[in-house]
Amino acid sequence: DAKTTQPPSMDCAEGRAANLPCNHSTISGNEYVYWYRQIHSQGPQYIIHGLKNNETNEMASLIITEDRKSSTLILPHATLRDTAVYYCIGQYNTDKLIFGTGTRLQVFP
Amino acid sequence: AAGVIQSPRHLIKEKRETATLKCYPIPRHDTVYWYQQGPGQDPQFLISFYEKMQSDKGSIPDRFSAQQFSDYHSELNMSSLELGDSALYFCASSLVLRGSSYNEQFFGPGTRLTVL
Repeated sequence: DAKTTQPPSMDCAEGRAANLPCNHSTISGNEYVYWYRQIHSQGPQYIIHGLKNNETNEMASLIITEDRKSSTLILPHATLRDTAVYYCIGQYNTDKLIFGTGTRLQVFP
Repeated sequence: AAGVIQSPRHLIKEKRETATLKCYPIPRHDTVYWYQQGPGQDPQFLISFYEKMQSDKGSIPDRFSAQQFSDYHSELNMSSLELGDSALYFCASSLVLRGSSYNEQFFGPGTRLTVL
């Protein structure tokens, strides 16, 4: 499983886009990039995942660089309820999630 | 929609006691995972089961054991409890599509274990 690096914290104004970066320079060709978030003491929640192409769902967009060494999670219109710790995880096999330190996103009014 | 159910939600035990945490996965999910999250820490994988067989193992102490039953619910048994076992314990479930790398795990609300 690839090691990922994320900034420890970020702030974002409510209604603005939140762009959360992740470096995963050791990711192998068949490893997916997963994003989960954890709102205070709740169970982690799946957000999105991707392999090579950019992905979008109802929650967020995922932009993966062409060399796959980094990616950015975009929350297009952040709300106060998006305040959480966001985890970027590189994973191939279908089993365990290896959580790194994540980015603590604080959305302010 | 049905979610992952964990019981109890809170548990207080004394040192050296035993504890049993239960997890009821989403119906038709075939894989269960257990994670431990200490105070101020990130979730750490403990163990997983696929179709009632242990499929992977992380940093789970020998004092802990787990199993998945015929109805797919799982139990995490913890013996000789130590102060350091105080943590949130999350269970997650998924429907694993073999041959696919896609694996969305659905987490329960967690059991908060406090060891005094």
